[in-house]
Amino acid sequence: RKEVEQDPGPFNVPEGATVAFNCTYSNSASQSFFWYRQDCRKEPKLLMSVYSSGNEDGRFTAQLNRASQYISLLIRDSKLSDSATYLCVGDSGGYQKVTFGIGTKLQVIP
Amino acid sequence: NAGVTQTPKFRVLKTGQSMTLLCAQDMNHEYMYWYRQDPGMGLRLIHYSVGEGTTAKGEVPDGYNVSRLKKQNFLLGLESAAPSQTSVYFCASSYSTEGDEQFFGPGTRLTVL
Repeated sequence: RKEVEQDPGPFNVPEGATVAFNCTYSNSASQSFFWYRQDCRKEPKLLMSVYSSGNEDGRFTAQLNRASQYISLLIRDSKLSDSATYLCVGDSGGYQKVTFGIGTKLQVIP
Repeated sequence: NAGVTQTPKFRVLKTGQSMTLLCAQDMNHEYMYWYRQDPGMGLRLIHYSVGEGTTAKGEVPDGYNVSRLKKQNFLLGLESAAPSQTSVYFCASSYSTEGDEQFFGPGTRLTVL
């Protein structure tokens, strides 16, 4: 079982829709979680960190549920420019590295 | 600041050839990583370094070697390339711990024939 698991999608949503992605992690010692965004044929870039208290940045909200070991990303009022792959990331619980999920592909349709 | 740079951007090798990929960062980051990304597999860690002169194995280290002689550079070597090493290779760096944001280079697209 992979340490970080995501539904690869694709999620096809109309402009203006709200879409949510979940990501589960298996290492209960993990402390730091992130969402990265990767555009086609480009490098990943940090979208936002995920804190225990939740994190909101404009139309994007990230949540962490330690009891059920998952993190989520909510995108409100989807834009065409949100089309990308969203990578869930969790640390290794003190082993100096992180694990990336396979990524969830989002396509926002006009 | 250039951030994280990688050379070369593209390369085609024949089976059995060797090559070195160079990663450089100008952010004074301690941690550096090499990943490979394949369709359906996501980003997988090859090797990483937590400081100058130190390296460690990641998830898929076989067939690769690394060196970190200078803090700003992290080299990835393929001694005898195989078609299974056809992939996109990304280098990344972070300030000091696994809890910090990772900054990625633009990637190297390697094809092994």
